[in-house]
Amino acid sequence: DAKTTQPTSMDCAEGRAANLPCNHSTISGNEYVYWYRQIHSQGPQYIIHGLKNNETNEMASLIITEDRKSSTLILPHATLRDTAVYYCIVKVSGNTGKLIFGQGTTLQVKP
Amino acid sequence: DADVTQTPRNRITKTGKRIMLECSQTKGHDRMYWYRQDPGLGLRLIYYSFDVKDINKGEISDGYSVSRQAQAKFSLSLESAIPNQTALYFCASRGSTGELFFGEGSRLTVL
Repeated sequence: DAKTTQPTSMDCAEGRAANLPCNHSTISGNEYVYWYRQIHSQGPQYIIHGLKNNETNEMASLIITEDRKSSTLILPHATLRDTAVYYCIVKVSGNTGKLIFGQGTTLQVKP
Repeated sequence: DADVTQTPRNRITKTGKRIMLECSQTKGHDRMYWYRQDPGLGLRLIYYSFDVKDINKGEISDGYSVSRQAQAKFSLSLESAIPNQTALYFCASRGSTGELFFGEGSRLTVL
């Protein structure tokens, strides 16, 4: 599975959009981009995933560049409850379930 | 109610004791996983199962065993607990497009 690079930390004002970048320059054609978040020792929470098209669900939007070497997770109106560590993972959908979460981005939403 | 439920949520035990962590899911997923999380090491895969009676080793299976007697249940056992098995343990089930749904975690302390 391809390696990802994310900023260590980011701040965002409450009510504003949070844009979390992820670089995955070695991504393969059959690898998906998955985003999870973990709020202080709770179970990781699935947010969204995509292959090459932009995706949107009730939680967030995922923008994947045309060359697929990077992506951005967008939380459109961040709240204090969105403060968490956000993990970008690249993996083949059907693999064994091995996940390399890495260090992720700690997003601090401030009032 | 949570889709993936783990019991117990917290457990303190002594070296040499047998411990079982239980996991049940209501999503009807075939694939289930056990992970452990240690500070600075992310999530590491212990065992996974693709179906009832199917068992596969993950990255760090030594010292652990699992049982999958029903689609909804996947239990993790530590036959003789040791202090370096002190960690946060997560169970997960896998959706149809590769997304994982995690339980809230079981914090195990081995003295």
